[in-house]
Amino acid sequence: DSGVTQTPKHLITATGQRVTLRCSPRSGDLSVYWYQQSLDQGLQFLIHYYNGEERAKGNILERFSAQQFPDLHSELNLSSLELGDSALYFCASSPHLRPGPNQPQHFGDGTRLSIL
Amino acid sequence: GQNIDQPTEMTATEGAIVQINCTYQTSGFNGLFWYQQHAGEAPTFLSYNVLDGLEEKGRFSSFLSRSKGYSYLLLKELQMKDSASYLCAVSNSGNTPLVFGKGTRLSVIA
Repeated sequence: DSGVTQTPKHLITATGQRVTLRCSPRSGDLSVYWYQQSLDQGLQFLIHYYNGEERAKGNILERFSAQQFPDLHSELNLSSLELGDSALYFCASSPHLRPGPNQPQHFGDGTRLSIL
Repeated sequence: GQNIDQPTEMTATEGAIVQINCTYQTSGFNGLFWYQQHAGEAPTFLSYNVLDGLEEKGRFSSFLSRSKGYSYLLLKELQMKDSASYLCAVSNSGNTPLVFGKGTRLSVIA
């Protein structure tokens, strides 16, 4: 158990819909990262929050948005969903701004999103 | 930008040793991580290197050469449960998140 909690584990919805994925980081971790992993693809970085502030953006679509709340949990909002958005969405957390020795990113079990 | 290359797939025999290579190009190198990911599961942290040399942790070891932009993960006494994808990830002092390679899918056969 990594200590990172993601809900829901599975989500099935239709094109055009909007969903919210939730992540609770490990206790004490200030950084939260979101990644997308499509079938047989690598981990694509989406966005990073540190202590409530956005710190880095990757290849995140304009239809996607995220935020980190004062209690440090984070939500990833996906709207106007398309078939190609079907993927595993992982959240990871780490204690500080950058991963380092004894401070790696720890990953949640992911949310599997299926668009029908 | 950053570029990370790993072989796509490898196959090795149970009980053997396998070396998974990773080459990278980045500015402001701040460390290299290896993760293991079983299909459909979360990546789990294996090792971290920031200085040149070999880090050993049980059956797994990781090596780094910063001047060559090169790392490898060495798995000894392979077991069937080691069948997984192995992800190389680089941290640099500029961007804050890790950048992951596409991963090497290792199949351990009897």
